[in-house]
Amino acid sequence: SYELTQPPSVSVSPGQTARITCSGDALPKQYGYWYQQKPGQAPVMLIYKYIERPSGIPERFSGSTSGTTVTLIISGVQAEDEADYYCQSSDSSGAYVVFGGGTRLTVL
Amino acid sequence: QVQLVQSGAEVKMPGASVKVSCKASGYTFTTYPITWVRQAPGQGLEWMGWISPYNGNIKSGERFQGRVTMTTDTSTSTAFMEMRSLTSDDTAVYYCARVLGWDHFDYWGQGTLVTVSS
Repeated sequence: SYELTQPPSVSVSPGQTARITCSGDALPKQYGYWYQQKPGQAPVMLIYKYIERPSGIPERFSGSTSGTTVTLIISGVQAEDEADYYCQSSDSSGAYVVFGGGTRLTVL
Repeated sequence: QVQLVQSGAEVKMPGASVKVSCKASGYTFTTYPITWVRQAPGQGLEWMGWISPYNGNIKSGERFQGRVTMTTDTSTSTAFMEMRSLTSDDTAVYYCARVLGWDHFDYWGQGTLVTVSS
């Protein structure tokens, strides 16, 4: 079955830039999305269609794409950004939705 | 404002079934599919499937085909997810969410904890 691969953890100091990658063979064909999940809360969509940001999401969150990898970029990381981040896409047929394994962002 | 409100926590015996509800408000229920996603304790998100309240079309994840039934009641703007033959591996928080573009999710319910234990 199709998989999306994320690093288990990323650590950054406040004010620095965090980059979280997500790799999958179908990503050039299927859109990539990003969600943030804080403990005890439901996920929140941060980025859609690779690079678009929903209203209400701070500008420090952005997305990029290159080949089979999509990246979530958090500029000027704040303590409140400490959370789990999940990428999401579909398999090459578009029939099945897949989530990456998640990345725990630690703000040092 | 768009809201999805789910039913309360459940405790079930192994082999039993559970039915979780998700009541939508703040938008036209039949316009957008509803998806179900679960999260086992300390684990990641797992997509289960989605259902269109408009025409009843369903797509289930391969792991859940034959064991999960998704339905909707358009008269009450409520979606339901029923899972049968529960095992301890099904202990998880179950989320419903509204689907955009058939492949991503903008509004989420608060989650329903289902605990399977003897």
